[in-house]
Amino acid sequence: SQQGEEDPQALSIQEGENATMNCSYKTSINNLQWYRQNSGRGLVHLILIRSNEREKHSGRLRVTLDTSKKSSSLLITASRAADTASYFCATAPAGTSGSRLTFGEGTQLTVNP
Amino acid sequence: DAGVTQSPTHLIKTRGQHVTLRCSPISGHKSVSWYQQVLGQGPQFIFQYYEKEERGRGNFPDRFSARQFPNYSSELNVNALLLGDSALYLCASSLSESYYEQYFGPGTRLTVT
Repeated sequence: SQQGEEDPQALSIQEGENATMNCSYKTSINNLQWYRQNSGRGLVHLILIRSNEREKHSGRLRVTLDTSKKSSSLLITASRAADTASYFCATAPAGTSGSRLTFGEGTQLTVNP
Repeated sequence: DAGVTQSPTHLIKTRGQHVTLRCSPISGHKSVSWYQQVLGQGPQFIFQYYEKEERGRGNFPDRFSARQFPNYSSELNVNALLLGDSALYLCASSLSESYYEQYFGPGTRLTVT
């Protein structure tokens, strides 16, 4: 079963706009990661935020983590058509090995040129 | 350096048959994990192998098995295929058992008819 839930399920924006995706999870975690998937292909790791971190930046990506609310958000600034993809949050539950990730259902982002 | 490779790319099988999927991790990576992604959902963890030993198993029936070879490549075997096994099977590698960032291959698309 999926631990996380992404919100919204689908998001359509214009190039240059910001895109915000949210993720909620149920159990205590070691870290939370965001991945991107293009057209049903392999996933690409975007960013990892540890449970003791509140915010992290990587290029045009900004991730926040609120462990008290068991939620995270991914912000993509100045979006581009090439950002069109599905975005998944994945959690590494506390007490489990690093590779046992639990993924959410994903947000389908469409960036219109 | 080459990324994670998987073979075959696509596969069509009939109910009741057996299938073997193959994965080669990134050079230097010793941990391999397998995920199943049904259309429209996030990936679900099947197995993790490290140093040829099973380190984790998801909620999948015994029809699913895997192994890891001395060169760290891995095979996923599925017996007595069901229509519900139709999915994208993803292999991911990481540096070690406890290393959280996963590098995914392009996947094998399995269709069971």
